[in-house]
Amino acid sequence: AIWMTQSPSLLSASTGDRVTISCRMSQGISSYLAWYQQKPGKAPELLIYAASTLQSGVPSRFSGSGSGTDFTLTISCLQSEDFATYYCQQYYSFPFTFGPGTKVDIK
Amino acid sequence: QLQLQESGPGLVKPSETLSLTCTVSGGSISSSSYYWGWIRQPPGKGLEWIGSIYYSGSTYYNPSLKSRVTISVDTSKNQFSLKLSSVTAADTAVYYCARHEGDFWTAFDIWGQGTMVTVSS
Repeated sequence: AIWMTQSPSLLSASTGDRVTISCRMSQGISSYLAWYQQKPGKAPELLIYAASTLQSGVPSRFSGSGSGTDFTLTISCLQSEDFATYYCQQYYSFPFTFGPGTKVDIK
Repeated sequence: QLQLQESGPGLVKPSETLSLTCTVSGGSISSSSYYWGWIRQPPGKGLEWIGSIYYSGSTYYNPSLKSRVTISVDTSKNQFSLKLSSVTAADTAVYYCARHEGDFWTAFDIWGQGTMVTVSS
């Protein structure tokens, strides 16, 4: 199975900050990567798929980049509603796997 | 607007079988090209994909759970179901059903709200 690391595991930031979360794969996955946002007590929500395609309805301050083994989620101007945990997921190889998560909290 | 809703017992005894159903509303589970999946999340931990099914009955299971998992579909009821046998405390988790945004090799774009299942005697 493909495993992944996310860094940082915890990110303290302020509203208006530009934040970047990294996801690194144990092997190449082309662009078969998704990013999800999860708030406490809620289901994950898809933000980005195919590494860089913004899901319909997701604000444009979210963006994704990368291919192969290294991927990045960027929030250009952090809003109060963006404080949450973010997960990457690969769907290139069976079984599908998720990263351990990055919690973005208030500085 | 497509919605998914999980249902089933919130408490299961060790060694018994966990059974959950996901009801799809606002659209047909038989729509071409979509797979439907189950994902779980132990309290305070990350996400684990359990398996996925197509309306035809074609399934993919996580090898780590394959010996204990059965996913089935009932198109007449617009539902798909999860059975996990021989459960232990390690199976305590929030269980989510979700739709793949296309064929099997795609992300999950619509999720149910999740249902907490506790394994305890």
